[in-house]
Amino acid sequence: NAGVTQTPKFQVLKTGQSMTLQCAQDMNHEYMSWYRQDPGMGLRLIHYSVGAGITDQGEVPNGYNVSRSTTEDFPLRLLSAAPSQTSVYFCASSYYNPGQGSPEAFFGQGTRLTVV
Amino acid sequence: QQPVQSPQAVILREGEDAVINCSSSKALYSVHWYRQKHGEAPVFLMILLKGGEQKGHDKISASFNEKKQQSSLYLTASQLSYSGTYFCGRQQQTGANNLFFGTGTRLTVIP
Repeated sequence: NAGVTQTPKFQVLKTGQSMTLQCAQDMNHEYMSWYRQDPGMGLRLIHYSVGAGITDQGEVPNGYNVSRSTTEDFPLRLLSAAPSQTSVYFCASSYYNPGQGSPEAFFGQGTRLTVV
Repeated sequence: QQPVQSPQAVILREGEDAVINCSSSKALYSVHWYRQKHGEAPVFLMILLKGGEQKGHDKISASFNEKKQQSSLYLTASQLSYSGTYFCGRQQQTGANNLFFGTGTRLTVIP
């Protein structure tokens, strides 16, 4: 059971380049989300999805696009990379269990992105 | 929208206790606690769903005061393995995945 898999683990981009961070989960979770982590800022929510075909914005969505065509995959696209997007990006998945309320989020190992 | 955590950092000797606080200006439907070791992904510790509820995980427990919109994490008889950054997460009512995390508390346990 792989859990949440993120690729690549490391990436260096030049300003203005675009790229897609991949996230896949094999737990059949309905919910998936993307966070960025910067020193002193904790984890900030970028975008999230409650199921295939449904996405919504989090705290810091500008400069990022997402789509959710399947339950398993939730890619994050940087349209035109900027140095301010240098960060560690985490993808997470979770499921809704009405009997137990809010369940835990499972995180991928992260992608360390540097924009020069 | 991020919850505020205090202290920002704390250093303990093995066996000492610590309290990490989390407060929110937005209503708290539930509070999640996670621990992240350096260079690793955050790992789930516990969820508190009801006001005043307390939960425990080994020697780590937490309380949740819904009226005050606050939660506290209690670490007793700390071990070296407790070192890491602790995050509280505020959940909105619509689902579990849109967690808003606090800025974190870095805990260092020394021998």
